[in-house]
Amino acid sequence: EAQVTQNPRYLITVTGKKLTVTCSQNMNHEYMSWYRQDPGLGLRQIYYSMNVEVTDKGDVPEGYKVSRKEKRNFPLILESPSPNQTSLYFCASSLTPPTSGAYNEQFFGPGTRLTVL
Amino acid sequence: GQNIDQPTEMTATEGAIVQINCTYQTSGFNGLFWYQQHAGEAPTFLSYNVLDGLEEKGRFSSFLSRSKGYSYLLLKELQMKDSASYLCAVREWGNNRLAFGKGNQVVVIP
Repeated sequence: EAQVTQNPRYLITVTGKKLTVTCSQNMNHEYMSWYRQDPGLGLRQIYYSMNVEVTDKGDVPEGYKVSRKEKRNFPLILESPSPNQTSLYFCASSLTPPTSGAYNEQFFGPGTRLTVL
Repeated sequence: GQNIDQPTEMTATEGAIVQINCTYQTSGFNGLFWYQQHAGEAPTFLSYNVLDGLEEKGRFSSFLSRSKGYSYLLLKELQMKDSASYLCAVREWGNNRLAFGKGNQVVVIP
C-alpha cells in the first residue's frame, strides 16, 4: 500500500532533550516536506527536500534540522526542544517538486503530536 | 510570497449545499489544491485547479478565477462525514513550497 509513515505518533518530552521524528514513504517520491499545524495558524512548512542530499528551509525552520540520506526517509530532528515546539507535525511527499508544474498532490503522513514540557 | 484567506467556520444541514471560499494573492500563480482534514487526522487531497473554470468530482466541485485570485469548493448533498476542515493551498512559479490557508471548519448538523 502506497503510504507515508511517521513515528512516533505521540510523544511527550521535556525541554532540551533531543528527539527525532522519522518519516518514510514507499512511493519513490522526489519531494518531501515537514509541516507543523497549530490552532489558528494552519499548516506551516518547516523544511523541504527536493531529492537526496538536497534540503531547504521552509517558513518556520528555527529549532529544527532535517536530513535526506535516502530517497524514502526524511527525519525531523529537534536538537533542544522547547515548549513552543509543542504542535502537530505532518510529513508529506509528492512525486515531483511544486516547481515542476505538473499536477502533483502531496500525500501526508498520519501526524505526530508532540508535547514539550 | 502568497497570502491566502479563508473564512474560519460554517455550519450546514445534512443534505444541503455549502460553498467554501478561498482568496489568494500571489506573484506567479501555478495551481490551487483543496484538501479535506478531519480533526486530528492527515489532510487528504480533494481537487486541483490550474485553469479558470469548474472541476467536478462527484459531490465535490472546485472553481477557479485566476483574474480575481479566487477559488471555491462546493460540497453538495452534505453528509455527516463531511464535517471537517477544508484547506486551500496555492502553488507559485519558481517556489518549491505549497502555501496553505488556515482552513475552513465545516460542521454538518442533522
